[in-house]
Amino acid sequence: GENVEQHPSTLSVQEGDSAVIKCTYSDSASNYFPWYKQELGKGPQLIIDIRSNVGEKKDQRIAVTLNKTAKHFSLHITETQPEDSAVYFCAASDRRRRALTFGSGTRLQVQP
Amino acid sequence: DSGVTQTPKHLITATGQRVTLRCSPRSGDLSVYWYQQSLDQGLQFLIQYYNGEERAKGNILERFSAQQFPDLHSELNLSSLELGDSALYFCASSGGVGEITGELFFGEGSRLTVL
Repeated sequence: GENVEQHPSTLSVQEGDSAVIKCTYSDSASNYFPWYKQELGKGPQLIIDIRSNVGEKKDQRIAVTLNKTAKHFSLHITETQPEDSAVYFCAASDRRRRALTFGSGTRLQVQP
Repeated sequence: DSGVTQTPKHLITATGQRVTLRCSPRSGDLSVYWYQQSLDQGLQFLIQYYNGEERAKGNILERFSAQQFPDLHSELNLSSLELGDSALYFCASSGGVGEITGELFFGEGSRLTVL
């Protein structure tokens, strides 16, 4: 089945700086790559996603890039704010198991 | 608010016991997914139901079972509980079936503590 690896596990940045989280996946047939944000005491919430026919997608301060050849995708957050502090999960669709396979998460802390 | 409701929010029980976690999906969503999140771990897929039928199975233990009822709510049953079963259990719903190409809406989770 699909295996998704995520780095780093923790990331601390100063307010206003950029943050980058990277993920790799194993199943070349995966075609959908969402990113979820989990705030303390809450369930994960979708913040952006990308499909395999697109190399980059941007939504305000958030962008995701996908390199299908290398089987990796990244989340970029620019001009970080304290409210960006949360745990971020990447995921890939697993066609065989019909479920999302999640990475292990990145705890992002934005220092004011 | 995702529209997915999970109960109970917290549950404390003893080893060897059995518990049932309940999930009501968003209105209109036919697919329900169960995920387990252990301390400092990612989300591990357990099982998916679509319109009452099991559609996909992940790393779900034999001591665990689930079902989806005609009104589309789902229950996750955990039996012969062990200390290692302590975790956050999330339910998510979506409108689709089969391959996932859209958003999953997660509930706030049920925190299970086994003592």
